[in-house]
Amino acid sequence: DAGVIQSPRHEVTEMGQEVTLRCKPISGHNSLFWYRQTMMRGLELLIYFNNNVPIDDSGMPEDRFSAKMPNASFSTLKIQPSEPRDSAVYFCASSTVDEQFFGPGTRLTVL
Amino acid sequence: GENVEQHPSTLSVQEGDSAVIKCTYSDSASNYFPWYKQELGKGPQLIIDIRSNVGEKKDQRIAVTLNKTAKHFSLHITETQPEDSAVYFCAASIDYGQNFVFGPGTRLSVLP
Repeated sequence: DAGVIQSPRHEVTEMGQEVTLRCKPISGHNSLFWYRQTMMRGLELLIYFNNNVPIDDSGMPEDRFSAKMPNASFSTLKIQPSEPRDSAVYFCASSTVDEQFFGPGTRLTVL
Repeated sequence: GENVEQHPSTLSVQEGDSAVIKCTYSDSASNYFPWYKQELGKGPQLIIDIRSNVGEKKDQRIAVTLNKTAKHFSLHITETQPEDSAVYFCAASIDYGQNFVFGPGTRLSVLP
């Protein structure tokens, strides 16, 4: 299995632009998680899905952030409009029971 | 909600020595405690985990201990090697694989 796939790996954009991060979970995994990692705040859970349904989005920082999972093999995290403070590494992870398998991350820089 | 603290934030050891990283959690309902290793430019990777019905678990040079009464758990790495250098995160969850709360991380450096 290729593991969790994220795209793009790097994204540089200007403040105010829309950013879409993509994730393909491991086949057969029924849970998907989006995390944000920064030096100041560490690893933060933004939202997670079970069987494509959002279960807990309390970590989503504000209405500029939205996430969707239209099917079992694809999820997006969208930021609109983006701000410099959104600069971070965004990880997607998937799981079945216990272990969460993380993707390589998307490094987002908002200028 | 759950709060996970982790100490130390940085740790340097000589190759061959042991390293110990400690974490405490606040929610007594937590039942699953994984440890992740993150190398530069990569996503975190699970190295060992323990459930609340077990006090200790070992996998080759790595072991984890759990004290439910005191609400703390520790990672022990013996015979450290340079490739053990990375950032290590502990986490706690009240529903196994869901809703992890991560500690702030420990940067381990193994000096040759």
